[in-house]
Amino acid sequence: KAGVTQTPRYLIKTRGQQVTLSCSPISGHRSVSWYQQTPGQGLQFLFEYFSETQRNKGNFPGRFSGRQFSNSRSEMNVSTLELGDSALYLCASSLVGTGSGEQFFGPGTRLTVL
Amino acid sequence: DQQVKQNSPSLSVQEGRISILNCDYTNSMFDYFLWYKKYPAEGPTFLISISSIKDKNEDGRFTVFLNKSAKHLSLHIVPSQPGDSAVYFCAASASGYSTLTFGKGTMLLVSP
Repeated sequence: KAGVTQTPRYLIKTRGQQVTLSCSPISGHRSVSWYQQTPGQGLQFLFEYFSETQRNKGNFPGRFSGRQFSNSRSEMNVSTLELGDSALYLCASSLVGTGSGEQFFGPGTRLTVL
Repeated sequence: DQQVKQNSPSLSVQEGRISILNCDYTNSMFDYFLWYKKYPAEGPTFLISISSIKDKNEDGRFTVFLNKSAKHLSLHIVPSQPGDSAVYFCAASASGYSTLTFGKGTMLLVSP
């Protein structure tokens, strides 16, 4: 079974631009979560989608948004990029998205904002 | 306010010895705890988990202990191997919620 895939793997943008990241979950997984990892901050939860609906949202500004398609693939968008948005963005999928299930992570997208 | 804390940013251990990684949490609603391992340029991979109804879970060289009264859990790796060198993240979740709250991670270095 293929794992979680994320595209692109690396991205360089400049301040003020916007970016869209893509995530394809493991086949059959309906929950997709997004996390931001920055040095010294660990993984911070951005949002979670389940059956095309945003079910939970972390404490991030409205510049961060996402969506999920009917095939469970998900995209996240960051508008008006700031230098502090430079980070590794990780997508994770799980079977039913309950609190007792492990999440499977993709390799991440490394975003650099210049 | 950090709900999951890993107070040791790094830990160095010799091959063959025990590695003990610690994690504290503050949210009483958390009832499921996981450990993830992360190598550079890769996403975190699941290692072991424990439900709040247990106080110990073992899987090969990895054992997780949970002390609910102290809101503390630890991961023991015995014996440690150089391939265990990675960043270890502690994570927690609450029933009915699918989000994971992570600690900042502990970098483990196992030297030969």
